[in-house]
Amino acid sequence: NAGVTQTPKFQVLKTGQSMTLQCAQDMNHNSMYWYRQDPGMGLRLIYYSASEGTTDKGEVPNGYNVSRLNKREFSLRLESAAPSQTSVYFCASSSGAQPQHFGDGTRLSIL
Amino acid sequence: KQEVTQIPAALSVPEGENLVLNCSFTDSAIYNLQWFRQDPGKGLTSLLLIQSSQREQTSGRLNASLDKSSGRSTLYIAASQPGDSATYLCAVEGNTDKLIFGTGTRLQVFP
Repeated sequence: NAGVTQTPKFQVLKTGQSMTLQCAQDMNHNSMYWYRQDPGMGLRLIYYSASEGTTDKGEVPNGYNVSRLNKREFSLRLESAAPSQTSVYFCASSSGAQPQHFGDGTRLSIL
Repeated sequence: KQEVTQIPAALSVPEGENLVLNCSFTDSAIYNLQWFRQDPGKGLTSLLLIQSSQREQTSGRLNASLDKSSGRSTLYIAASQPGDSATYLCAVEGNTDKLIFGTGTRLQVFP
């Protein structure tokens, strides 16, 4: 049972570089989410997707784009990385009234 | 705007103690409240989910209560063990399918 899988687990970027964080779930969930977690700030929602083909902004969407490639996969893209985007990024999925299931996170440092 | 606060931010107790973690929220119009556990370097694991119509939920040594009118929830851990050491996060879900998280309580249980 893989659950929610995130890749990569760690990444270091230089300011201005771009990259895509990958997330895949094998639980046939309709909804998927991207959060960032910063010290003292808790988890904040970046984007979410209620179903395949739909995406909506969360609390902190600026500087990010997302793609719901299919029901399983939801990717997060940083077009031009900035030091303020240094964070731990979590992907989650859920269906109906069930709790969200989280991946183990991607630790991203931007120099 | 919904805000979620958790007190205390950190807690260190000897093994065997019963403990209470607190969570408060500013907007009582919630769909449910959820408690999660986060181990260092890992994602979040759902512990308990309380629907807005419920007063409490129990799982093993864990009991969570919800008082919507006062905007409060407590997580009670009975007979704490070193394996309970982790960060505990509370989150509320409104009618938008989005979770708003508190900043967590970091718990250490020492032998």
